[in-house]
Amino acid sequence: AQTVTQSQPEMSVQEAETVTLSCTYDTSENNYYLFWYKQPPSRQMILVIRQEAYKQQNATENRFSVNFQKAAKSFSLKISDSQLGDTAMYFCAFMRYGQNFVFGPGTRLSVLP
Amino acid sequence: SQTIHQWPATLVQPVGSPLSLECTVEGTSNPNLYWYRQAAGRGLQLLFYSVGIGQISSEVPQNLSASRPQDRQFILSSKKLLLSDSGFYLCAWNRDTEAFFGQGTRLTVV
Repeated sequence: AQTVTQSQPEMSVQEAETVTLSCTYDTSENNYYLFWYKQPPSRQMILVIRQEAYKQQNATENRFSVNFQKAAKSFSLKISDSQLGDTAMYFCAFMRYGQNFVFGPGTRLSVLP
Repeated sequence: SQTIHQWPATLVQPVGSPLSLECTVEGTSNPNLYWYRQAAGRGLQLLFYSVGIGQISSEVPQNLSASRPQDRQFILSSKKLLLSDSGFYLCAWNRDTEAFFGQGTRLTVV
């Protein structure tokens, strides 16, 4: 069974600084997808970024980028130029094609003014 | 475009009362459907998922049940709520590589 680990329960960063959230996963599959979701205080789940395992190039979305290390089964999220609106819970998730998600326990990020 | 509707947004129910939360999906067919529960400040716990009409898989034995009477409708139910059923419930669907979440229901059992 697949598992997802996020070893940082809470993190904080100063506004405009850069922060990296870590995620590791365990799977014997070769084809899968990895996601980072953001859950602000409204509790709405918002997709931040997605990575296909067969792609070696790291995904980027504006200030958000990932460092995908397939051999190490690591999928970290880097947030550049942190903004107050980035304050949220961040969940790393694993999914095989068409199968259910497996979520990590989450990292609570606080951006400080 | 694909959308997902989940209601109600908030619900306060007495212990021992029944529960019915509904989730409907638009803009797709034959999606995988999910119910998650999230305790305050915690991660997402998968409760049920469904790959088709009438097909329900339960991940955690509990006081809740799920049904999928139509392709794009997923219902979470309980005959008698417990205090421990309080939490935030999220419906989600995925198909292939896309996934979408509902707005969530905050359930308080008093």
